Amino acid sequence: AQSVTQLGSHVSVSEGALVLLRCNYSSSVPPYLFWYVQYPNQGLQLLLKYTSAATLVKGINGFEAEFKKSETSFHLTKPSAHMSDAAEYFCAVSNFGNEKLTFGTGTRLTIIP
Amino acid sequence: GAVVSQHPSRVICKSGTSVKIECRSLDFQATTMFWYRQFPKKSLMLMATSNEGSKATYEQGVEKDKFLINHASLTLSTLTVTSAHPEDSSFYICSAKGAANQPQHFGDGTRLSIL
Repeated sequence: AQSVTQLGSHVSVSEGALVLLRCNYSSSVPPYLFWYVQYPNQGLQLLLKYTSAATLVKGINGFEAEFKKSETSFHLTKPSAHMSDAAEYFCAVSNFGNEKLTFGTGTRLTIIP
Repeated sequence: GAVVSQHPSRVICKSGTSVKIECRSLDFQATTMFWYRQFPKKSLMLMATSNEGSKATYEQGVEKDKFLINHASLTLSTLTVTSAHPEDSSFYICSAKGAANQPQHFGDGTRLSIL
């Protein structure tokens, strides 16, 4: 069984400040991990993914995430927030041979001007 | 990049009617497509997984006779909500993936409102 926990359903940061969105996973087999972003009334866009290669993964729009097995974490970061980063962010887990994604409950990111 | 088109983006209809939602992969062959339902301010709930040419696999608690899924080609899957009722109102999102270990690519969703 797999699961994802996103700490903080709502995160607010000032424009230009560091963005940190937390994700912890549970998986009985080596996980594949994903971060998706959702803008209002739209589907999900893939930000980045980890599939057992480099533990530091760089994605689009300046985001990156680090896979830490010892902490079962895959937190999403961005050094400097932009107003356009305001959206809902979902962490998800799957694994090799299992195509299903299990999503976290999402974190709404608000950027303060 | 991989593009998934979902149509319609919004539909409003009367209770008792059936509604069909289409999901197309525009620039790749989707061996597997997924259908999700998203409640307001909630995460995505997987409804079913469909592979081209075979019957969809439904998640526990999802009525297969209520939510008919067809995946007739490598670029098209459809979800039909039969005899829709107000409780079926929701945001439905499809996704598609090609080869193994490729990520899912999502459509823009369909906002379904049943009056």
